[in-house]
Amino acid sequence: EADIYQTPRYLVIGTGKKITLECSQTMGHDKMYWYQQDPGMELHLIHYSYGVNSTEKGDLSSESTVSRIRTEHFPLTLESARPSHTSQYLCASSEYSGGTEAFFGQGTRLTVV
Amino acid sequence: DQQVKQNSPSLSVQEGRISILNCDYTNSMFDYFLWYKKYPAEGPTFLISISSIKDKNEDGRFTVFLNKSAKHLSLHIVPSQPGDSAVYFCAASLRNAGNNRKLIWGLGTSLAVNP
Repeated sequence: EADIYQTPRYLVIGTGKKITLECSQTMGHDKMYWYQQDPGMELHLIHYSYGVNSTEKGDLSSESTVSRIRTEHFPLTLESARPSHTSQYLCASSEYSGGTEAFFGQGTRLTVV
Repeated sequence: DQQVKQNSPSLSVQEGRISILNCDYTNSMFDYFLWYKKYPAEGPTFLISISSIKDKNEDGRFTVFLNKSAKHLSLHIVPSQPGDSAVYFCAASLRNAGNNRKLIWGLGTSLAVNP
């Protein structure tokens, strides 16, 4: 059983609000990732981290930011939510880079109204 | 331009029969391929993988075949069970210029196994 958790599972929030999506893993993995997936579309990597204090932008440009102060924690923040941010956000961690055999959280479905 | 293509958005199979999910890729630099399974409202879970130096990898009811010359891989599920009903994602991995691995995902194929 994978030990990676995302909260909240579902979030409906108004435009302009600041939100933080939480992601925690207890497997001691150095590598962590945030993916965004719209319905019927592929998973797009928006952020990744190869360790504490290391964060990089992914393939898909995103207005969100991330931080990695602790190995187990990789939160994603949107300073001012907009309807275009409505999507599913998936967090993952892996022992090896590139998401190979990565473990995924259950996802956060964000709706901005 | 999609580098990893799953051309069948959906597939319906009878319980007990074989399910074959296909995946094509365009980048010959991919050296590792993975299949993930995703149930609704859950994150993807790793299913099976194959290195580009192999042409087959088997794990229980799941077998992945790789045809490098055709840039094609397929996932076979035998026998199919209703619990296999899910979306299956093909993903391909390569090392980028910074020697870090990058994972490219297909759009997924939704498999329905009918009792």
